[in-house]
Amino acid sequence: EDQVTQSPEALRLQEGESSSLNCSYTVSGLRGLFWYRQDPGKGPEFLFTLYSAGEEKEKERLKATLTKKESFLHITAPKPEDSATYLCAASTGTASKLTFGTGTRLQVTL
Amino acid sequence: EAQVTQNPRYLITVTGKKLTVTCSQNMNHEYMSWYRQDPGLGLRQIYYSMNVEVTDKGDVPEGYKVSRKEKRNFPLILESPSPNQTSLYFCASKLSRNTEAFFGQGTRLTVV
Repeated sequence: EDQVTQSPEALRLQEGESSSLNCSYTVSGLRGLFWYRQDPGKGPEFLFTLYSAGEEKEKERLKATLTKKESFLHITAPKPEDSATYLCAASTGTASKLTFGTGTRLQVTL
Repeated sequence: EAQVTQNPRYLITVTGKKLTVTCSQNMNHEYMSWYRQDPGLGLRQIYYSMNVEVTDKGDVPEGYKVSRKEKRNFPLILESPSPNQTSLYFCASKLSRNTEAFFGQGTRLTVV
């Protein structure tokens, strides 16, 4: 059974305090690893896709990396507007089904 | 504007009363899916569709039905809702197998 585990469950940072979120996965036939951001009461919003180990993608203060067993979302000098729940999902199978982790709830304070 | 639109956004209903949640996308996407999101369990796939008239079960299909008669629409049907189907539901679509999914705004369903 495909499994995606995210840690920590919740993270509180001060503005400017960099950190990393972890997503470990045990799946058969990874087609892609996706990161999403979800704000309260809204649908997940796409951030990154990573397809192979060693791949990195960057957008503003966020950088996603991928190894054969896990992915990291690095947040550099976060701002309060980065506060959200960050979800990762592994895509597998012929229809590329998404298996989601339960998310990391990030709060960035002034 | 490219989007996935779900209706209604909020719904309170009684046990056993059939309901339909609509989902429409304007991006000409092949793939569409329904998910439910519950605290501590994350997003779980209910059903998905790879094309018109092609649907298949996800991880938690019991108690749900879907149909895909047109490319843009993918309604979720609860024939006889029960309280354990109280949840936040999301519809999603994607262009092809390995591209990113776009999600709707969600439908918060309460079954009493």
